[in-house]
Amino acid sequence: DAGVIQSPRHEVTEMGQEVTLRCKPISGHDYLFWYRQTMMRGLELLIYFNNNVPIDDSGMPEDRFSAKMPNASFSTLKIQPSEPRDSAVYFCASSHQLNTEAFFGQGTRLTVV
Amino acid sequence: AQTVTQSQPEMSVQEAETVTLSCTYDTSESNYYLFWYKQPPSRQMILVIRQEAYKQQNATENRFSVNFQKAAKSFSLKISDSQLGDTAMYFCAFQAAGNKLTFGGGTRVLVKP
Repeated sequence: DAGVIQSPRHEVTEMGQEVTLRCKPISGHDYLFWYRQTMMRGLELLIYFNNNVPIDDSGMPEDRFSAKMPNASFSTLKIQPSEPRDSAVYFCASSHQLNTEAFFGQGTRLTVV
Repeated sequence: AQTVTQSQPEMSVQEAETVTLSCTYDTSESNYYLFWYKQPPSRQMILVIRQEAYKQQNATENRFSVNFQKAAKSFSLKISDSQLGDTAMYFCAFQAAGNKLTFGGGTRVLVKP
């Protein structure tokens, strides 16, 4: 397996624009996580899914953020409208079980100008 | 809520020497898991080592070992025979059974030749 695949690797967008980040988890993994990493706040869990169903979205900062998992092999994290303070590295991770190793993608570095 | 504290923002070590990274956590849970993740400059998050709280034996993985002190809620990572490729950010993480991962703020390790 190629591991968790995220796209794009880098995204630069203007304030107010919609941004969509994409993730393909490892085949067979039942859990998918979206994290945000910033210098100020470190690594924060935004939301996670189990078998495509959102389980905990308490980390989603506000209504501008939304995440979907239409099938077992694809998930999106959308920010609309984007703001400069959303600039961060966004990671997707997947795992077979909740307490087993989470495999991370290489992240998407988002810059909102 | 669980918290994870890494008190050392940065550490440096000479190649082939040993370095120990500290991590403490706060929880009222009795069943949980602890992890150390490595994030090299490539940004990829990589699992280094995992410890189940119910196991008294400290986990080891080649040159990496932990000192798990459950009563003290301490989970330090020892890197022996440091190599240049060990240069990275290291994150301690806590996960109660059936719950989400909580990361510490990270420790930057620089291995000097």
